[in-house]
Amino acid sequence: AQKITQTQPGMFVQEKEAVTLDCTYDTSDQSYGLFWYKQPSSGEMIFLIYQGSYDEQNATEGRYSLNFQKARKSANLVISASQLGDSAMYFCAMRVLGNFVFGPGTRLSVLP
Amino acid sequence: DGGITQSPKYLFRKEGQNVTLSCEQNLNHDAMYWYRQDPGQGLRLIYYSQIVNDFQKGDIAEGYSVSREKKESFPLTVTSAQKNPTAFYLCASQEGTVVQPQHFGDGTRLSIL
Repeated sequence: AQKITQTQPGMFVQEKEAVTLDCTYDTSDQSYGLFWYKQPSSGEMIFLIYQGSYDEQNATEGRYSLNFQKARKSANLVISASQLGDSAMYFCAMRVLGNFVFGPGTRLSVLP
Repeated sequence: DGGITQSPKYLFRKEGQNVTLSCEQNLNHDAMYWYRQDPGQGLRLIYYSQIVNDFQKGDIAEGYSVSREKKESFPLTVTSAQKNPTAFYLCASQEGTVVQPQHFGDGTRLSIL
């Protein structure tokens, strides 16, 4: 069975500093996709970044980068130069065939 | 603009009543999903559909039903058998391949009166 683990229920970071949100996954499939979403207090889910299981380079999207370590089955999200608007819940997710699995989330609070 | 529309934004249900949450997409996506989110929790899959007239149960399908008669529509009915329906419900759609992210609607908050 597929599973996503996010071990940090809450994280604090000072504005303008970088922060790493942890994600580990479990699957026996060779082909899968890993995603990170941001959920502000308003509730909508915002797609941030994607990493494919066959991608050799770590994905980057602006201030977001994904530290993909396939052997360790980890896909950590790195946010550089944190902004106050980054305060939100962050979910790691995995897609295998037709099924999406989400982790429990990490609440990030950016301090001024 | 292309996207996913969920309605209503807020919904109240009386005891013993069935209610239907609407989800419409104009992205021409084959796959559609329904998730339930409880306060401070992650998303749990209720049902998903890969093609029209076909759908599969997710992890918490009991007390819910769906239909997929049209590609753009995937309504969710919360039946009276669902004893604890108060939650935030999110609908999503996706193109068929593993590499594509899900696109989400803005959600419906369901409460018991």
